[in-house]
Amino acid sequence: NAGVMQNPRHLVRRRGQEARLRCSPMKGHSHVYWYRQLPEEGLKFMVYLQKENIIDESGMPKERFSAEFPKEGPSILRIQQVVRGDSAAYFCASSPGMVAGQETQYFGPGTRLLVL
Amino acid sequence: GESVGLHLPTLSVQEGDNSIINCAYSNSASDYFIWYKQESGKGPQFIIDIRSNMDKRQGQRVTVLLNKTVKHLSLQIAATQPGDSAVYFCAANTGNQFYFGTGTSLTVIP
Repeated sequence: NAGVMQNPRHLVRRRGQEARLRCSPMKGHSHVYWYRQLPEEGLKFMVYLQKENIIDESGMPKERFSAEFPKEGPSILRIQQVVRGDSAAYFCASSPGMVAGQETQYFGPGTRLLVL
Repeated sequence: GESVGLHLPTLSVQEGDNSIINCAYSNSASDYFIWYKQESGKGPQFIIDIRSNMDKRQGQRVTVLLNKTVKHLSLQIAATQPGDSAVYFCAANTGNQFYFGTGTSLTVIP
């Protein structure tokens, strides 16, 4: 059973470009979470999605950032017009559900975004 | 919301000794907790979890203790090995969200 997959593992963008980060959850998991991690800091929640629905996007900046989890295919975190402050590691996690007994989140290897 | 913090940002232990990493949380409504291990350049790896109806849970070489009275969580690693060197952080589940601490960097001295 493959774990959470993320690609690319490393992404370099120039200021103003778009960054697309992909996440494929573990088999059987329908809940996906995106987190951002800055050096020496903890994981900061960004957005929680189920298939075709955004459940909670309270941690995501209102501008330039968007996320989706289509019926088919991976979840996508999209950052438009990137700025240097967007440089960070972005982690995706998945879980079978969010009720007790199903809420354990398993993480992917992350995408390290560097904005030049 | 929830605030999760670890007591020590760094911890060094001799190989073979036991390690104890501590975590405090603020929201008494948090009812599920996970310890993760994160090695350099990798994603967080699940180690062990515990629900609020328990005060102790054991895994392979790891034990998690939960003290709800003082809102404190600890991870004990027995016979620490060089491969245990990593950043460890706890996560507390409140409602729909997990809140993560900043992590304790464990260094194992051979």
